[in-house]
Amino acid sequence: KAGVTQTPRYLIKTRGQQVTLSCSPISGHRSVSWYQQTPGQGLQFLFEYFSETQRNKGNFPGRFSGRQFSNSRSEMNVSTLELGDSALYLCASSAGTPGYEQYFGPGTRLTVT
Amino acid sequence: GENVEQHPSTLSVQEGDSAVIKCTYSDSASNYFPWYKQELGKRPQLIIDIRSNVGEKKDQRIAVTLNKTAKHFSLHITETQPEDSAVYFCAASSFGGSYIPTFGRGTSLIVHP
Repeated sequence: KAGVTQTPRYLIKTRGQQVTLSCSPISGHRSVSWYQQTPGQGLQFLFEYFSETQRNKGNFPGRFSGRQFSNSRSEMNVSTLELGDSALYLCASSAGTPGYEQYFGPGTRLTVT
Repeated sequence: GENVEQHPSTLSVQEGDSAVIKCTYSDSASNYFPWYKQELGKRPQLIIDIRSNVGEKKDQRIAVTLNKTAKHFSLHITETQPEDSAVYFCAASSFGGSYIPTFGRGTSLIVHP
């Protein structure tokens, strides 16, 4: 079974721009969660989608948004990029209840200049 | 909100020794505690997890113990091997409820051959 995939793997953007990241979960998994990983703040939860609905949200500003499609693929959007948004963005999927036995993707490394 | 503290931040051991990483949490509603291993440049991988209705769980050389009263849980690795070298993260969340996982800051485990 194919693992979680994320595209693109690397991205360089300029302050003020917006960016969209994509995540394809393991086939059959309906829950997709997004995380931000930085050396300073560690691993932080952004939000979680289940059956196209955002069910849980972490403590991030409204510039961070997401959506999930009927095939469970998910996208994350960050608008008006700031230097502090530079990070590794990870998504994770799980088969059942959100958070249970999550499988992470390889991440998208976003650099904001 | 939940707060998870993880210690130590760095742990250096000789091959064959045991390693113990401890996490404490603050929210008594948390009932799901996974541990992830992240090798350099790779995605986090779930290595073991425990729910609050269990005090201990083992999987070969890895074990996790949970003390709900004291609100702490620990990862135990026996007979360490160089390939165990990685960053280990603990997390706490409410399995089945409002899923907003909080992660520890990570422990860099170095196993010297």
